[in-house]
Amino acid sequence: GIQVEQSPPDLILQEGANSTLRCNFSDSVNNLQWFHQNPWGQLINLFYIPSGTKQNGRLSATTVATERYSLLYISSSQTTDSGVYFCAVGLTGGGNKLTFGTGTQLKVEL
Amino acid sequence: NAGVTQTPKFRVLKTGQSMTLLCAQDMNHEYMYWYRQDPGMGLRLIHYSVGEGTTAKGEVPDGYNVSRLKKQNFLLGLESAAPSQTSVYFCASSSPPRGTDTQYFGPGTRLTVL
Repeated sequence: GIQVEQSPPDLILQEGANSTLRCNFSDSVNNLQWFHQNPWGQLINLFYIPSGTKQNGRLSATTVATERYSLLYISSSQTTDSGVYFCAVGLTGGGNKLTFGTGTQLKVEL
Repeated sequence: NAGVTQTPKFRVLKTGQSMTLLCAQDMNHEYMYWYRQDPGMGLRLIHYSVGEGTTAKGEVPDGYNVSRLKKQNFLLGLESAAPSQTSVYFCASSSPPRGTDTQYFGPGTRLTVL
């Protein structure tokens, strides 16, 4: 199956700092999603981004499908950004199944 | 809209007991999924469904059964619980083939098997 690697595994930031999270995957995909799991366990979809670049407020994401990686940018980080960020990939059709990475644990401190 | 809801939120079972987890969505989504999340391992797909009356195995289906008798509901059953099934269980839904592939998650069920 598809292998998904995320880096770094852990990250501590001061409030206001910027960060880049990376997701590498082992095979061609046409479905890539980024999720944020908050400290209470809720999973929120951030981006559906199989290719190209998208922005939503302080967050943006870029996927270069031909080189098999995706980046999630967090600018001007806030304590509410803390939690785990997951990248998930797959192929559309056949159930739209996703394979998740093991996540990046982010802690934003005052 | 409530989105995706899960019942119960917490449950403790003894080895060998059975239980059913209920997932409900009010977004008229076609596809539904059950995942489990273990510490340090991300989420793994247990079973999924691409429509009412259809189910299929995911990555880790052993020890679980599912049913989708109604489009809005997806049930996950454990017939004889084992300590290895202690985990947090998440349900999700999405709307292909005509809608978005984005998956929306429920709040999770924390299950402990003693």
